[in-house]
Amino acid sequence: SAVISQKPSRDICQRGTSLTIQCQVDSQVTMMFWYRQQPGQSLTLIATANQGSEATYESGFVIDKFPISRPNLTFSTLTVSNMSPEDSSIYLCSVVGLAGEGYNEQFFGPGTRLTVL
Amino acid sequence: KQEVTQIPAALSVPEGENLVLNCSFTDSAIYNLQWFRQDPGKGLTSLLLIQSSQREQTSGRLNASLDKSSGRSTLYIAASQPGDSATYLCAVENYGQNFVFGPGTRLSVLP
Repeated sequence: SAVISQKPSRDICQRGTSLTIQCQVDSQVTMMFWYRQQPGQSLTLIATANQGSEATYESGFVIDKFPISRPNLTFSTLTVSNMSPEDSSIYLCSVVGLAGEGYNEQFFGPGTRLTVL
Repeated sequence: KQEVTQIPAALSVPEGENLVLNCSFTDSAIYNLQWFRQDPGKGLTSLLLIQSSQREQTSGRLNASLDKSSGRSTLYIAASQPGDSATYLCAVENYGQNFVFGPGTRLSVLP
């Protein structure tokens, strides 16, 4: 299985500022994703991080608010821009790596708990 | 649009009981289904992955089944322990690698 780390693990930020979250994987993976989990809710996919090209965003999420980078096959960043209290959530990166026999198992990072005041 | 539901939303059982968590999905054209565990304030841990061609998977005290035609999966936990207390989420992967999560079942196992 893949080992995924995220930085920071938590942060408290002021309204109007931006925070960049890093996701590092210990092996090359084909797919990397960013999710948001608002308090008491399940996970919502923000975007697919594409290596070497622009991320693919889900409905309701835009690049200006959540710019994403993926410079290589093991690293990605998510920036939460111009934050408001509604952005307070846990942000998780996940990867899909080859698990043999053509199916893909999804692994998650530990998450970044963001509180916006 | 794929929708995933989980029943019950919360469950409290005494230690030692066997229990079943349910997951339903609306579009049966899935690539696979995965069960996760999430401890409070933590990330997700993968428990079991069932490919669309499989009927069930087992790991220790856990057994997950999949009935694609009816859009259902169950997670069976045998001889529950207090350490099993967590939120259990199922997620389906549609073709095109679009993952959709259910809302989760919050399990409490009482000593």
